[in-house]
Amino acid sequence: GAGVSQTPSNKVTEKGKYVELRCDPISGHTALYWYRQSLGQGPEFLIYFQGTGAADDSGLPNDRFFAVRPEGSVSTLKIQRTERGDSAVYLCASSLTGPYDTQYFGPGTRLTVL
Amino acid sequence: KQEVTQIPAALSVPEGENLVLNCSFTDSAIYNLQWFRQDPGKGLTSLLLIQSSQREQTSGRLNASLDKSSGRSTLYIAASQPGDSATYLCAVNTGNQFYFGTGTSLTVIP
Repeated sequence: GAGVSQTPSNKVTEKGKYVELRCDPISGHTALYWYRQSLGQGPEFLIYFQGTGAADDSGLPNDRFFAVRPEGSVSTLKIQRTERGDSAVYLCASSLTGPYDTQYFGPGTRLTVL
Repeated sequence: KQEVTQIPAALSVPEGENLVLNCSFTDSAIYNLQWFRQDPGKGLTSLLLIQSSQREQTSGRLNASLDKSSGRSTLYIAASQPGDSATYLCAVNTGNQFYFGTGTSLTVIP
């Protein structure tokens, strides 16, 4: 594809609900990353996929957060029992082979938990 | 844990001026460093990637340097233009993880 795409662009949910955020990486990119960005801050690393497997998920804040990439392309970030503190912009990036390559970012999903 | 600091937090310059943005990191054991720009409400756009073995990278009016031993990188922008107005972020790669600074918000005044 032309670039990294993320859906939805905006998501408003109520506290306690479950949400899924989707990322479509650049075609052929084996590495995929999820970040969370709060207002006025730099992106905070959440998880890094190499192919279908999570190479590093140490940035996930707790067990309410989970991410999958079952076929090595599209990835879904899943958040259970959302809390108001989860409100942020969730960014996805991909790179050709791994952390040594340039990362290309999607436009992000703005999540608001009421 | 790696900490990344960017100074200044905000910068305002007249059009045409050359400027330098600074990025410092606490742990010199990095694999690479990447500079990005972020426009309001948008994702990040990669500007330059410097591998740990390199000292600098250039792209057009942009030049980024890396001094790994002292934990510093600079982004030099020549002949600034209003279209350069954005937030500039640096990120260091320590293996599988990337650590970002909080960015420098640049305004170029026509």
